[in-house]
Amino acid sequence: AQSVTQLGSHVSVSEGALVLLRCNYSSSVPPYLFWYVQYPNQGLQLLLKYTTGATLVKGINGFEAEFKKSETSFHLTKPSAHMSDAAEYFCAVSDRRGYQKVTFGIGTKLQVIP
Amino acid sequence: DADVTQTPRNRITKTGKRIMLECSQTKGHDRMYWYRQDPGLGLQLIYYSFDVKDINKGEISDGYSVSRQAQAKFSLSLESAIPNQTALYFCATSDSRQDGELFFGEGSRLTVL
Repeated sequence: AQSVTQLGSHVSVSEGALVLLRCNYSSSVPPYLFWYVQYPNQGLQLLLKYTTGATLVKGINGFEAEFKKSETSFHLTKPSAHMSDAAEYFCAVSDRRGYQKVTFGIGTKLQVIP
Repeated sequence: DADVTQTPRNRITKTGKRIMLECSQTKGHDRMYWYRQDPGLGLQLIYYSFDVKDINKGEISDGYSVSRQAQAKFSLSLESAIPNQTALYFCATSDSRQDGELFFGEGSRLTVL
Protein backbone atom coordinates (compact mmCIF):
# COMPACT_ATOMS: atom_id res chain seq x y z
CA ALA A 1 0.00 0.00 0.00
CA GLN A 2 1.17 3.52 -0.68
CA SER A 3 0.87 6.51 1.62
CA VAL A 4 1.86 10.16 1.79
CA THR A 5 2.86 12.19 4.84
CA GLN A 6 2.92 15.96 4.71
CA LEU A 7 4.63 17.49 7.72
CA GLY A 8 2.85 20.59 8.90
CA SER A 9 -0.79 21.21 8.06
CA HIS A 10 -0.12 24.97 8.27
CA VAL A 11 3.06 26.78 7.29
CA SER A 12 3.65 30.53 7.53
CA VAL A 13 6.45 32.35 5.76
CA SER A 14 7.27 36.00 5.21
CA GLU A 15 7.02 37.47 1.76
CA GLY A 16 10.37 36.96 0.06
CA ALA A 17 11.40 34.08 2.32
CA LEU A 18 12.10 30.51 1.30
CA VAL A 19 9.12 28.20 1.00
CA LEU A 20 9.70 24.58 2.04
CA LEU A 21 6.80 22.15 2.18
CA ARG A 22 7.69 18.63 3.20
CA CYS A 23 6.40 15.40 1.73
CA ASN A 24 7.44 11.83 2.45
CA TYR A 25 5.92 8.85 0.73
CA SER A 26 5.72 5.12 1.10
CA SER A 27 5.39 2.90 -1.93
CA SER A 28 6.32 -0.68 -2.67
CA VAL A 29 7.15 0.17 -6.28
CA PRO A 30 8.82 3.19 -7.88
CA PRO A 31 6.17 5.86 -7.75
CA TYR A 32 5.02 8.80 -9.75
CA LEU A 33 4.97 11.87 -7.48
CA PHE A 34 2.90 15.01 -7.77
CA TRP A 35 2.33 18.35 -6.10
CA TYR A 36 -1.04 19.99 -6.61
CA VAL A 37 -2.10 23.47 -5.52
CA GLN A 38 -5.58 24.58 -4.53
CA TYR A 39 -6.39 28.28 -4.46
CA PRO A 40 -9.45 29.42 -2.48
CA ASN A 41 -12.72 28.32 -4.03
CA GLN A 42 -10.99 26.48 -6.84
CA GLY A 43 -10.19 22.94 -7.80
CA LEU A 44 -6.75 21.42 -7.61
CA GLN A 45 -4.24 22.06 -10.37
CA LEU A 46 -0.95 20.41 -11.05
CA LEU A 47 2.12 22.28 -9.82
CA LEU A 48 4.73 19.73 -10.90
CA LYS A 49 5.34 16.00 -11.20
CA TYR A 50 8.11 13.43 -11.17
CA THR A 51 7.73 10.41 -13.39
CA THR A 52 11.18 9.48 -14.59
CA GLY A 53 14.53 11.01 -15.44
CA ALA A 54 15.91 14.07 -13.69
CA THR A 55 15.15 14.04 -10.00
CA LEU A 56 14.92 17.83 -9.69
CA VAL A 57 11.63 18.86 -11.18
CA LYS A 58 10.61 22.40 -12.00
CA GLY A 59 7.01 23.47 -12.01
CA ILE A 60 4.87 26.52 -12.48
CA ASN A 61 5.23 29.79 -10.56
CA GLY A 62 8.86 29.17 -9.63
CA PHE A 63 8.29 26.03 -7.57
CA GLU A 64 10.51 22.99 -7.74
CA ALA A 65 10.81 19.63 -5.99
CA GLU A 66 13.49 17.00 -5.71
CA PHE A 67 12.83 13.28 -5.68
CA LYS A 68 15.14 11.63 -3.16
CA LYS A 69 14.69 7.89 -3.29
CA SER A 70 16.97 7.18 -0.33
CA GLU A 71 14.91 9.51 1.86
CA THR A 72 11.54 8.66 0.22
CA SER A 73 10.94 12.39 0.02
CA PHE A 74 9.61 14.86 -2.51
CA HIS A 75 9.83 18.25 -0.77
CA LEU A 76 8.49 21.36 -2.51
CA THR A 77 10.52 24.57 -2.50
CA LYS A 78 10.43 28.10 -3.80
CA PRO A 79 13.28 30.55 -3.18
CA SER A 80 11.12 33.61 -2.57
CA ALA A 81 7.49 33.57 -1.48
CA HIS A 82 4.92 35.85 -3.06
CA MET A 83 1.59 36.82 -1.58
CA SER A 84 -0.07 35.00 -4.45
CA ASP A 85 1.45 31.71 -3.26
CA ALA A 86 -1.00 31.57 -0.36
CA ALA A 87 -2.95 28.39 -1.03
CA GLU A 88 -3.23 24.77 0.04
CA TYR A 89 -0.69 22.34 -1.35
CA PHE A 90 -1.18 18.61 -1.72
CA CYS A 91 1.47 15.98 -2.29
CA ALA A 92 0.31 12.84 -4.07
CA VAL A 93 1.75 9.49 -5.09
CA SER A 94 0.66 7.18 -7.86
CA ASP A 95 1.81 3.65 -8.50
CA ARG A 96 3.17 2.73 -11.90
CA ARG A 97 1.08 -0.35 -12.34
CA GLY A 98 -2.07 -0.60 -14.37
CA TYR A 99 -4.40 1.02 -11.93
CA GLN A 100 -2.35 4.13 -11.14
CA LYS A 101 -4.24 4.76 -7.91
CA VAL A 102 -3.46 8.20 -6.58
CA THR A 103 -3.07 8.74 -2.84
CA PHE A 104 -3.07 12.27 -1.44
CA GLY A 105 -1.52 13.75 1.65
CA ILE A 106 -3.71 15.78 4.01
CA GLY A 107 -2.50 19.07 2.55
CA THR A 108 -0.46 22.02 3.82
CA LYS A 109 -1.95 25.49 3.97
CA LEU A 110 0.65 28.09 3.16
CA GLN A 111 0.22 31.55 4.63
CA VAL A 112 2.41 34.36 3.29
CA ILE A 113 2.91 37.27 5.68
CA PRO A 114 3.55 40.71 4.19
CA ASP B 1 -14.90 26.87 -20.82
CA ALA B 2 -13.54 24.51 -18.21
CA ASP B 3 -12.33 21.09 -19.33
CA VAL B 4 -14.00 19.42 -16.33
CA THR B 5 -17.34 20.92 -15.34
CA GLN B 6 -19.25 20.17 -12.18
CA THR B 7 -22.85 21.07 -11.42
CA PRO B 8 -24.14 22.35 -9.12
CA ARG B 9 -21.28 24.35 -7.60
CA ASN B 10 -23.17 24.83 -4.36
CA ARG B 11 -26.11 22.96 -2.91
CA ILE B 12 -27.89 23.08 0.43
CA THR B 13 -30.25 20.23 1.17
CA LYS B 14 -31.97 18.50 4.06
CA THR B 15 -31.34 15.15 5.68
CA GLY B 16 -32.97 12.32 3.78
CA LYS B 17 -33.11 14.05 0.41
CA ARG B 18 -31.65 12.52 -2.74
CA ILE B 19 -28.89 14.55 -4.33
CA MET B 20 -27.08 14.18 -7.63
CA LEU B 21 -23.81 15.87 -8.51
CA GLU B 22 -22.90 15.86 -12.17
CA CYS B 23 -19.58 15.97 -13.94
CA SER B 24 -18.79 16.33 -17.62
CA GLN B 25 -15.44 16.57 -19.36
CA THR B 26 -14.15 17.65 -22.74
CA LYS B 27 -10.61 16.27 -22.32
CA GLY B 28 -11.38 12.95 -23.98
CA HIS B 29 -10.04 11.04 -20.98
CA ASP B 30 -11.20 7.52 -20.30
CA ARG B 31 -10.88 7.59 -16.50
CA MET B 32 -13.09 9.59 -14.16
CA TYR B 33 -13.13 9.92 -10.36
CA TRP B 34 -15.15 11.38 -7.52
CA TYR B 35 -13.27 12.65 -4.47
CA ARG B 36 -14.44 14.15 -1.23
CA GLN B 37 -12.45 16.85 0.56
CA ASP B 38 -12.79 17.51 4.27
CA PRO B 39 -10.55 19.89 6.24
CA GLY B 40 -7.55 18.05 7.64
CA LEU B 41 -8.30 14.84 5.76
CA GLY B 42 -7.05 15.63 2.29
CA LEU B 43 -8.90 14.01 -0.60
CA GLN B 44 -10.62 10.69 -0.22
CA LEU B 45 -11.65 8.60 -3.23
CA ILE B 46 -15.34 7.75 -3.38
CA TYR B 47 -15.69 5.98 -6.75
CA TYR B 48 -13.70 5.68 -9.92
CA SER B 49 -14.45 4.54 -13.45
CA PHE B 50 -11.95 3.31 -16.02
CA ASP B 51 -14.51 3.36 -18.81
CA VAL B 52 -18.26 3.34 -19.27
CA LYS B 53 -18.61 -0.31 -18.25
CA ASP B 54 -16.03 -0.29 -15.45
CA ILE B 55 -16.99 1.30 -12.13
CA ASN B 56 -15.21 0.66 -8.85
CA LYS B 57 -15.61 1.59 -5.21
CA GLY B 58 -13.02 3.78 -3.61
CA GLU B 59 -12.10 4.24 0.04
CA ILE B 60 -15.38 5.76 1.24
CA SER B 61 -18.19 4.57 -1.06
CA ASP B 62 -20.80 3.83 1.61
CA GLY B 63 -23.84 6.09 1.18
CA TYR B 64 -22.89 7.02 -2.38
CA SER B 65 -23.60 5.64 -5.85
CA VAL B 66 -22.40 6.64 -9.31
CA SER B 67 -23.40 6.38 -12.93
CA ARG B 68 -21.15 6.67 -15.99
CA GLN B 69 -23.64 7.73 -18.61
CA ALA B 70 -21.05 8.24 -21.33
CA GLN B 71 -17.31 8.53 -21.57
CA ALA B 72 -17.65 12.23 -20.85
CA LYS B 73 -20.20 12.10 -18.02
CA PHE B 74 -19.92 10.72 -14.50
CA SER B 75 -22.52 11.52 -11.84
CA LEU B 76 -22.46 10.99 -8.08
CA SER B 77 -25.64 10.35 -6.11
CA LEU B 78 -26.43 10.51 -2.43
CA GLU B 79 -29.58 8.42 -2.10
CA SER B 80 -30.48 9.74 1.35
CA ALA B 81 -28.23 12.58 2.40
CA ILE B 82 -26.98 12.85 5.98
CA PRO B 83 -25.19 15.76 7.71
CA ASN B 84 -21.77 14.07 7.78
CA GLN B 85 -21.84 14.07 3.98
CA THR B 86 -21.44 17.82 4.12
CA ALA B 87 -18.20 18.36 2.22
CA LEU B 88 -16.54 19.64 -0.93
CA TYR B 89 -16.79 17.13 -3.77
CA PHE B 90 -14.42 17.02 -6.71
CA CYS B 91 -14.66 15.25 -10.01
CA ALA B 92 -11.39 14.44 -11.76
CA THR B 93 -10.25 12.79 -14.97
CA SER B 94 -7.10 11.10 -16.18
CA ASP B 95 -5.77 9.45 -19.30
CA SER B 96 -4.84 5.79 -18.84
CA ARG B 97 -2.03 6.23 -21.36
CA GLN B 98 -0.38 8.87 -19.18
CA ASP B 99 1.17 9.00 -15.73
CA GLY B 100 -1.78 9.31 -13.38
CA GLU B 101 -1.97 13.10 -13.50
CA LEU B 102 -5.46 14.16 -12.47
CA PHE B 103 -7.45 17.04 -13.93
CA PHE B 104 -9.99 18.46 -11.52
CA GLY B 105 -13.26 20.28 -11.75
CA GLU B 106 -13.84 23.33 -9.57
CA GLY B 107 -15.78 21.42 -6.95
CA SER B 108 -19.32 21.10 -5.66
CA ARG B 109 -19.91 22.30 -2.13
CA LEU B 110 -22.69 20.29 -0.50
CA THR B 111 -24.31 21.19 2.81
CA VAL B 112 -26.72 18.74 4.40
CA LEU B 113 -28.83 20.23 7.19
